[in-house]
Amino acid sequence: QVQLVQSGSELKRPGASVKVSCKASGYTFTGPSINWVRQAPGQGLEWMGWINTITGNPTYAQDFTGRFVFSLDTSVSTTYLQIDSLKADDTAVYYCARDRATIDFDLWGQGTLVTVSS
Amino acid sequence: QSVLTQPPSVSAAPGQKVTISCSGSSSDIGNNYVSWYQHLPGAAPKRLIYANDKRPSGIPDRFSGSKSGTSATLAITGLQTGDEADYYCGTWDSSLSAGVFGGGTKLTVL
Repeated sequence: QVQLVQSGSELKRPGASVKVSCKASGYTFTGPSINWVRQAPGQGLEWMGWINTITGNPTYAQDFTGRFVFSLDTSVSTTYLQIDSLKADDTAVYYCARDRATIDFDLWGQGTLVTVSS
Repeated sequence: QSVLTQPPSVSAAPGQKVTISCSGSSSDIGNNYVSWYQHLPGAAPKRLIYANDKRPSGIPDRFSGSKSGTSATLAITGLQTGDEADYYCGTWDSSLSAGVFGGGTKLTVL
């Protein structure tokens, strides 16, 4: 079955780090890029950037530089989103999505809720 | 504030037709393909339309997309209560070198 399966919800304290995983199955992992999309509470979708699944090279949207890191492990067909120095504003659902062209997301993970609260 | 402009909400009765607009500029919609997504509460977004007007297999032909200049439109005919969701347009912004989404449109089927 072609799918992206993300790791479960996380509750973190401000200042901590979190690492969200996105495991691909049912298709050749190295090829289509994986993008990350954020949805804060009551807000719309926000593009965070993408990672090249062949080279591992990440590209970040302007608002997601510095504390956000995309990485991958091709041996387990998994991409990762790490967020450091968490803030309350980082509370959101984070989605990974397979990109077939440019911002053509044909396959999405189920989303991971990250809650940052003291 | 989103780069692409969508109406916050639209509504129509079951069986009717509704259109959702997505307005941008020459750096985004004007020179790039547009895709549309349906987002039901608690679920992952689902692609409805890609490359402006292409419908993936499995998407009913009640959903259609079009693009003209710097605007795109999603049309839904034969509305069903199950169509109630948030709808987003998305494209690439060549000047920002970034993906961009509209702010989303909440569809209510009365």
